[in-house]
Amino acid sequence: DARVTQTPRHKVTEMGQEVTMRCQPILGHNTVFWYRQTMMQGLELLAYFRNRAPLDDSGMPKDRFSAEMPDATLATLKIQPSEPRDSAVYFCASGTGELFFGEGSRLTVL
Amino acid sequence: GQQLNQSPQSMFIQEGEDVSMNCTSSSIFNTWLWYKQDPGEGPVLLIALYKAGELTSNGRLTAQFGITRKDSFLNISASIPSDVGIYFCAYDQTGANNLFFGTGTRLTVIP
Repeated sequence: DARVTQTPRHKVTEMGQEVTMRCQPILGHNTVFWYRQTMMQGLELLAYFRNRAPLDDSGMPKDRFSAEMPDATLATLKIQPSEPRDSAVYFCASGTGELFFGEGSRLTVL
Repeated sequence: GQQLNQSPQSMFIQEGEDVSMNCTSSSIFNTWLWYKQDPGEGPVLLIALYKAGELTSNGRLTAQFGITRKDSFLNISASIPSDVGIYFCAYDQTGANNLFFGTGTRLTVIP
């Protein structure tokens, strides 16, 4: 049963630490998205890739966030340094047609 | 920027009742999507609408693409406890799955 896999599921860290979240998209999907979900802002698009190339990362704070796809089976979202306001659930999604979401990485920055 | 307003924000209903929620925008869209997010999970696509006036069903769920292309409705008939979750409307910003999500309607079903 194909699914988007995200790690870690939960992460608690201290302000200033580096955080890396990983995503394995569904095999064959060439479009990968990173979303962030908070109570206040809802679901926000941070960045997306097609064929591993970044197409749009305008939703992402550039000074501390970076997103990459080192290969077709791995997408990463890095925050350095992390801040308490980065606390959220981060979702990866992939799809050609219908969008499939992972279970999310819940980040808490103390 | 774009805003998709969903109402109501939250609903508490008795099992077996029908549910109706809607999504409105100030802009015209060509696609409306309805997603459901179970607690602790990512959103899952329920229904996609591609034409003004289109009415589409998926089991107990029925969604309609408003004739003005600025709104959409989702109805759930005979609710059951597993209908609990957050329901989002969304539109495809670029035609490439670049989705913009509404504010969500949180549904609680009381057994």
